[in-house]
Amino acid sequence: DIVMTQSPDSLAVSLGERATISCKSSQNVFYSSNNKNYLAWYQQKPGQPPQLLIYWASTRESGVPDRFSGSGSGTDFALTISSLQAEDVGVYYCQQYYSIPNTFGQGTQLEIK
Amino acid sequence: EVQLVESGGGLVEPGGSLTLSCEASGFTFREYEMNWVRQAPGKGLEWVSHIGYSGTTRYYADSFEGRFTVSRDNAKNSVYLQMNSLSVDDTAVYYCARKVVTYWYFDLWGRGTLVTVSS
Repeated sequence: DIVMTQSPDSLAVSLGERATISCKSSQNVFYSSNNKNYLAWYQQKPGQPPQLLIYWASTRESGVPDRFSGSGSGTDFALTISSLQAEDVGVYYCQQYYSIPNTFGQGTQLEIK
Repeated sequence: EVQLVESGGGLVEPGGSLTLSCEASGFTFREYEMNWVRQAPGKGLEWVSHIGYSGTTRYYADSFEGRFTVSRDNAKNSVYLQMNSLSVDDTAVYYCARKVVTYWYFDLWGRGTLVTVSS
């Protein structure tokens, strides 16, 4: 199974500042035949189910604010929130869907400093 | 409204069984493959199982193979998860999730149903 490792486990950022979460996969999740990274990001707000933010490592889901961006390729990825808002508090998960079983990172708790 | 609503969770003793349901609305259910993902209290997300459009194709994470059975009824817009031989480690919120066409990420999640395994 592909192991997904996120860092840090928790992060406190001031309102309006940049937040960056890292995600590393134990195997390459880039598929050369279609030039795509099989990596998604989810946000889970307190008491709510996860919500898809980004897929193909950098494509924002419809309705997701443009302050959220994804980057990276191969085994190293990042989720960046350019200007943190109060409603961004929650836990963020990366997920690889390159192979079955699809696997998630352990999550990163994002808080306001 | 496009949504998934899980039900059937509750308290069950170790070794017991439980069947979860997930009812879809607001979209053409038979055109989507469905999955179950669980989350133990205070923990991360763990993929459990997948079922294809007609129910013929099924996959399970190794931890659940032989104990859990996923099924669906397209006439009722519903997917089910039958869970047997439950242990305290199966205590979790179980989410129903819609898989996007062709690729294995999930664009719609239910609110989940809590399963508590305890004596």
